Amino acid sequence: EPEVTQTPSHQVTQMGQEVILRCVPISNHLYFYWYRQILGQKVEFLVSFYNNEISEKSEIFDDQFSVERPDGSNFTLKIRSTKLEDSAMYFCASSGRTGRDEQYFGPGTRLTVT
Amino acid sequence: DQQVKQNSPSLSVQEGRISILNCDYTNSMFDYFLWYKKYPAEGPTFLISISSIKDKNEDGRFTVFLNKSAKHLSLHIVPSQPGDSAVYFCAARASGGYQKVTFGTGTKLQVIP
Repeated sequence: EPEVTQTPSHQVTQMGQEVILRCVPISNHLYFYWYRQILGQKVEFLVSFYNNEISEKSEIFDDQFSVERPDGSNFTLKIRSTKLEDSAMYFCASSGRTGRDEQYFGPGTRLTVT
Repeated sequence: DQQVKQNSPSLSVQEGRISILNCDYTNSMFDYFLWYKKYPAEGPTFLISISSIKDKNEDGRFTVFLNKSAKHLSLHIVPSQPGDSAVYFCAARASGGYQKVTFGTGTKLQVIP
């Protein structure tokens, strides 16, 4: 069964450093998403991406964040200058031909900022 | 901003009995509701959904009920199995073409053999 994959599974970085989280969505999906879950809190939407541009973003997704689909398979989330409060699980998701289809999530990347 | 609320952080049920997980929402713009299941160290897995034009949707052992007037939905699992032990997230999406899914805080279900 097709699945969303994410690398790395765990990333440790120092405050102020840039990190790039990588995702490979399901191959025939057209919509891509990033969510995050701070420990003990709920899963929060960050951004959705379609047709090589951001279609929706939350107030969390400020200028420190960016997303890119650098080739036909990868979808990345970049945090330019990490803060302690960026420590969280980051989930990539993808959905099919419309933005209203169910979203399928990857296993997540645990980001720890020290 | 608790637009989707799951007031029970945990629930224990005997194997074979019914599990009922509850969810309330406040945003009247929500028109599509989903339940996700999450095991430790994995991402949320889509379980079942319901559109606001329906009041019930069933898929095998899982049934979701929607009461729009009360802004309440529930997930019934019958019969419950030990493999159902996980965190269950209620989630919702607004009308108007939005893709953002708003999650509740989750209910940890433990099914006791």
